[in-house]
Amino acid sequence: NAGVTQTPKFQVLKTGQSMTLQCAQDMNHEYMSWYRQDPGMGLRLIHYSVGAGITDQGEVPNGYNVSRSTTEDFPLRLLSAAPSQTSVYFCASSPGTGLSEQYFGPGTRLTVT
Amino acid sequence: KQEVTQIPAALSVPEGENLVLNCSFTDSAIYNLQWFRQDPGKGLTSLLLIQSSQREQTSGRLNASLDKSSGRSTLYIAASQPGDSATYLCAAMDSNYQLIWGAGTKLIIKP
Repeated sequence: NAGVTQTPKFQVLKTGQSMTLQCAQDMNHEYMSWYRQDPGMGLRLIHYSVGAGITDQGEVPNGYNVSRSTTEDFPLRLLSAAPSQTSVYFCASSPGTGLSEQYFGPGTRLTVT
Repeated sequence: KQEVTQIPAALSVPEGENLVLNCSFTDSAIYNLQWFRQDPGKGLTSLLLIQSSQREQTSGRLNASLDKSSGRSTLYIAASQPGDSATYLCAAMDSNYQLIWGAGTKLIIKP
């Protein structure tokens, strides 16, 4: 199993550009989530999904969209990038509703200039 | 609102020492408390998960405890090795099944 994969590893965007961060898992996990990690702060939940076709907002959803058309994929879209979205983004998955162990991807480091 | 704090932010100890990392949380209504390890430029690896009904979990040289009444969890690392150098993060799962994260403790083990 590849586990949780994320692409790209690094990305530089100009303010106002849009892009999609890709996340895929091959463990047949129902629960998937996106976090951002900023220096000196804990991870913050952006969006999450409890199964295909179901998504919900986390703590910091503004400026981001998600969809979950399949169990495997959970892309994160930045609609109009802003410097405040410069961060490291992690995708995670777990078998259940969140009570079980979470598996993380390697992260995407995004810089918005 | 649940808040999770990890003190100290950084810790440096000689190889071979036993050490304790601390995690505190403000709301005792949690489903579980999880400890993760993060290596530079990499994702997070789950180390231990303590359910709210448990007091501790052990894996190899790692032991994590949970005291909900005092809002504290500790991660004990026995006989530390340079390979243990990493950032250690704790996260509490709140009543909405959301993980609330501490900012982490950066651990350096000196050979």
